Amino acid sequence: NAGVMQNPRHLVRRRGQEARLRCSPMKGHSHVYWYRQLPEEGLKFMVYLQKENIIDESGMPKERFSAEFPKEGPSILRIQQVVRGDSAAYFCASARTATDTQYFGPGTRLTVL
Amino acid sequence: KNEVEQSPQNLTAQEGEFITINCSYSVGISALHWLQQHPGGGIVSLFMLSSGKKKHGRLIATINIQEKHSSLHITASHPRDSAVYICAVRPPTSGSRLTFGEGTQLTVNP
Repeated sequence: NAGVMQNPRHLVRRRGQEARLRCSPMKGHSHVYWYRQLPEEGLKFMVYLQKENIIDESGMPKERFSAEFPKEGPSILRIQQVVRGDSAAYFCASARTATDTQYFGPGTRLTVL
Repeated sequence: KNEVEQSPQNLTAQEGEFITINCSYSVGISALHWLQQHPGGGIVSLFMLSSGKKKHGRLIATINIQEKHSSLHITASHPRDSAVYICAVRPPTSGSRLTFGEGTQLTVNP
């Protein structure tokens, strides 16, 4: 009965590189949410996906950020050409339905040098 | 003004004390969540509620929809309760994404 898995737990990138963050939802969960927590700030919604579909990406920056949740495999949050301001903890949450409790993964801490 | 406001921002208590953390919100909601973020950063879902009261062990969460207010209570607090407690709401018009308060840092001293 594994929980939400995220990897890597820590990721260091230099400015201009790409960061790929992975999220495997709990078994039976088809709804995935990505949230970002900037240093000393609260959590902010980024994107909501349901298998193969982006439902709501209103919290995601328009440039350099993309997300997917393919039919097979984990959800991926991709950040191209990272900048120092992207340094943050990125949390994934999953739920069985749109109205169920969301269960959070351990987060990926991205540091951009 | 944030849609979700928590008070206090910081709270220090002695072991055994009864603790209350408050959350006020300014939007209509379909559900409210209380989350716990450990010092290591992991987030645990404590409660999801849309009315009334829920209890789990030493934790109690209440919500008053008319007053747009929720409280999280911890009875017989313990140092292991030290964490950041976060209130989050799901407005009915936003799909199912959550909007978060800034969190309350709780420290329980032995």
